[in-house]
Amino acid sequence: AQSVAQPEDQVNVAEGNPLTVKCTYSVSGNPYLFWYVQYPNRGLQFLLKYITGDNLVKGSYGFEAEFNKSQTSFHLKKPSALVSDSALYFCAVRDILSGFQKLVFGTGTRLLVSP
Amino acid sequence: EPEVTQTPSHQVTQMGQEVILRCVPISNHLYFYWYRQILGQKVEFLVSFYNNEISEKSEIFDDQFSVERPDGSNFTLKIRSTKLEDSAMYFCASSEWEQGADEQYFGPGTRLTVT
Repeated sequence: AQSVAQPEDQVNVAEGNPLTVKCTYSVSGNPYLFWYVQYPNRGLQFLLKYITGDNLVKGSYGFEAEFNKSQTSFHLKKPSALVSDSALYFCAVRDILSGFQKLVFGTGTRLLVSP
Repeated sequence: EPEVTQTPSHQVTQMGQEVILRCVPISNHLYFYWYRQILGQKVEFLVSFYNNEISEKSEIFDDQFSVERPDGSNFTLKIRSTKLEDSAMYFCASSEWEQGADEQYFGPGTRLTVT
């Protein structure tokens, strides 16, 4: 069965500094990997995905993520954090081998960007 | 930009009552989903729906739950006899194609409170 781990409940970073939100996954075969962001009282917004090809994928709002197959990781990054990036971030995986559509989510990481 | 909408935003019901949560997926999408998020916990998959039938469901989705696409636009989740532990945020999502690479777009959620 597929699973996702987000080892940090919270990440604190100062505005203007680079940020990293960590994610590791476990699947039977090759994964499709996704990052979503959740602002207070809002639904989940899609940020970016890895399907195949280049290990560095770019997404919305200046975010990017690096797929590392050997470390089974898909960390979310941004070169320069903004206060408005403060939100809850979820990593999710879909197992291609299973043939199913469901997303399996991690527990989420709260990002706090201080001015 | 098209988006998934959900009604109501908040539903309070008494234990044992039936509730129907409503969703309008993005109009050209073919796959529909329900997820739930119990307060402080991760987002969990409930069910996926394609071509007017359930394509996948989780262990949570027992006989108390049902889904329906009653017309060309709405997608509903019914809980027949609510329990206290059904209290959660329920998210509807949709995706364009049946291919696993497509991201799912989430609605803002319905907060269900069972008293």
